[in-house]
Amino acid sequence: AQRVTQPEKLLSVFKGAPVELKCNYSYSGSPELFWYVQYSRQRLQLLLRHISRESIKGFTADLNKGETSFHLKKPFAQEEDSAMYYCALSGRGNKLVFGAGTILRVKS
Amino acid sequence: NAGVTQTPKFRVLKTGQSMTLLCAQDMNHEYMYWYRQDPGMGLRLIHYSVGEGTTAKGEVPDGYNVSRLKKQNFLLGLESAAPSQTSVYFCASSTTLQTGGNQPQHFGDGTRLSIL
Repeated sequence: AQRVTQPEKLLSVFKGAPVELKCNYSYSGSPELFWYVQYSRQRLQLLLRHISRESIKGFTADLNKGETSFHLKKPFAQEEDSAMYYCALSGRGNKLVFGAGTILRVKS
Repeated sequence: NAGVTQTPKFRVLKTGQSMTLLCAQDMNHEYMYWYRQDPGMGLRLIHYSVGEGTTAKGEVPDGYNVSRLKKQNFLLGLESAAPSQTSVYFCASSTTLQTGGNQPQHFGDGTRLSIL
């Protein structure tokens, strides 16, 4: 079965502190992993995908097949990073399976 | 540059009433999806379509029907609304698979639906 687990409902950090949003998955094959973000009053949008191996807005995520994880990291949090973050897995047919989401709050 | 447009944005229904949510995309995408978003559960796929005239069930299809008569439109219907269908509904679209892997989905603003 395909499943995505985001263990933290809420992550609160101070501005300038490192951030790590956890994501673990289960999938019997070669998954594609994504991070989507929803800022206040904005639509859900793609943040990054593992096959691109790029950094977006200072965020990076590495696919660890051994630990079946795809944690999202940023070395120095900014207030504008406050949002809801969803980890998602894409299997056959480009269907997405989402985690429950993590609210990131960056305090000044 | 509209992207994915959902209509209406808000709606309140009484139990047993029916309604249709409309999703329109102007990106010529082949794939379209309907999700529901509930607290603590993320987004769950209701139905999806891989092309005009085709639809398929997702994870939580019961109580919903869909139609894709035109490539740009994907309709979600509630035949007899129930309080358990109170949720925020999101439509998304994506282009077909390419050598770069599964393509990202583009989302609408959502429809907040309350069933009393």
